[in-house]
Amino acid sequence: AQSVAQPEDQVNVAEGNPLTVKCTYSVSGNPYLFWYVQYPNRGLQFLLKYITGDNLVKGSYGFEAEFNKSQTSFHLKKPSALVSDSALYFCAVRDQLMDTGRRALTFGSGTRLQVQP
Amino acid sequence: NAGVTQTPKFQVLKTGQSMTLQCAQDMNHEYMSWYRQDPGMGLRLIHYSVGAGITDQGEVPNGYNVSRSTTEDFPLRLLSAAPSQTSVYFCASSYSGQGNNEQFFGPGTRLTVL
Repeated sequence: AQSVAQPEDQVNVAEGNPLTVKCTYSVSGNPYLFWYVQYPNRGLQFLLKYITGDNLVKGSYGFEAEFNKSQTSFHLKKPSALVSDSALYFCAVRDQLMDTGRRALTFGSGTRLQVQP
Repeated sequence: NAGVTQTPKFQVLKTGQSMTLQCAQDMNHEYMSWYRQDPGMGLRLIHYSVGAGITDQGEVPNGYNVSRSTTEDFPLRLLSAAPSQTSVYFCASSYSGQGNNEQFFGPGTRLTVL
């Protein structure tokens, strides 16, 4: 079975400071990993993904994520937070070994990022 | 491209009523899916489709039906609404069922069942 955990319900950071939103995962094989962002009253928007290759993945809006296989983590980072980054962030995983035909992602419970001016 | 569209945006139902949530995409995506979002639980898969005429159950399918008669449309039917179905529903699509494809989400339908 595949699973993903986001241990923090909320992360608070001051504008201009670096931010990290944590994600750990569990799969049987190798993972496909994704980050999505949800702004109020909107659907989820894709930020970035890890498929294979470089452990540091760069995505939209200046975000990046670091894949760490030994720690089974895929933390989302940004060097300098903006107030407009305040939103709900979801990590998602799919086990490359899964062949159920379901082709579904398993989502974490979400982390609310609050950036204070 | 409009992307993924959903109607209605909001809906209030009484227990036992039925309704259909509409979803359409204009990106010629093979794969479409329905999720429900509940506080503190992330998104849970209800049903999905890998192409016209093909549907299958997800994680929480009870009380919901789907059909996929065309590539573009993937409606979700609530057969007899229950208060436990109060949630925000998202439709999503992706180019194919391959696991490395990102999904595109609609704006959601907020459903309240009284």
